Amino acid sequence: AQTIHQWPVAEIKAVGSPLSLGCTIKGKSSPNLYWYWQATGGTLQQLFYSITVGQVESVVQLNLSASRPKDDQFILSTEKLLLSHSGFYLCAWTGGLSNERLFFGHGTKLSVL
Amino acid sequence: AQSVDQPDAHVTLSEGASLELRCSYSYSAAPYLFWYVQYPGQSLQFLLKYITGDTVVKGTKGFEAEFRKSNSSFNLKKSPAHWSDSAKYFCALEGGGSNAKLTFGKGTKLSVKS
Repeated sequence: AQTIHQWPVAEIKAVGSPLSLGCTIKGKSSPNLYWYWQATGGTLQQLFYSITVGQVESVVQLNLSASRPKDDQFILSTEKLLLSHSGFYLCAWTGGLSNERLFFGHGTKLSVL
Repeated sequence: AQSVDQPDAHVTLSEGASLELRCSYSYSAAPYLFWYVQYPGQSLQFLLKYITGDTVVKGTKGFEAEFRKSNSSFNLKKSPAHWSDSAKYFCALEGGGSNAKLTFGKGTKLSVKS
């Protein structure tokens, strides 16, 4: 069975500090990977997606970057956090075919103070 | 361009009543449509999807949704509702034949009173 693990579960960070969030998928070869952001009480905004190692596509510009260093790993980062980065970050995967459902990780709650 | 509209930010009903959460979409081709649920403090869980064929699709937790091409809607239904159904529900549309192009609605927060 496939599993998806996100880390950390929660972070409290200062404005201007760096950030690194991670996501690992086990049991699935070459998944499509996604980062979503959800403002408190808001909808989901797709940030990045990756269909293969080393390739990441940006969907929206939020002063964030993403990388896929390994087939099963997806990293979201920034060197300088903004207050507007607060929210809930969700990693998700699909098998890569059209009309497949997303499998979401448990998410990371980020509070920027 | 593609878009999803969930016109009701909040819906409140009593346990045992029938629930229907509205979703409309805008997309120039045949859409793939999804419903996800988010319980408080948790991530999203898949409920059901519509690809083609039957206009009523059944999903998990006793939910079903009806696709109506005539008015571009994909409403989520369940009867009877249970207090444990209280959560936020998101409708989503996949366009362009790629699940990299998934657009979510703003969500409807459902409160079921026991």
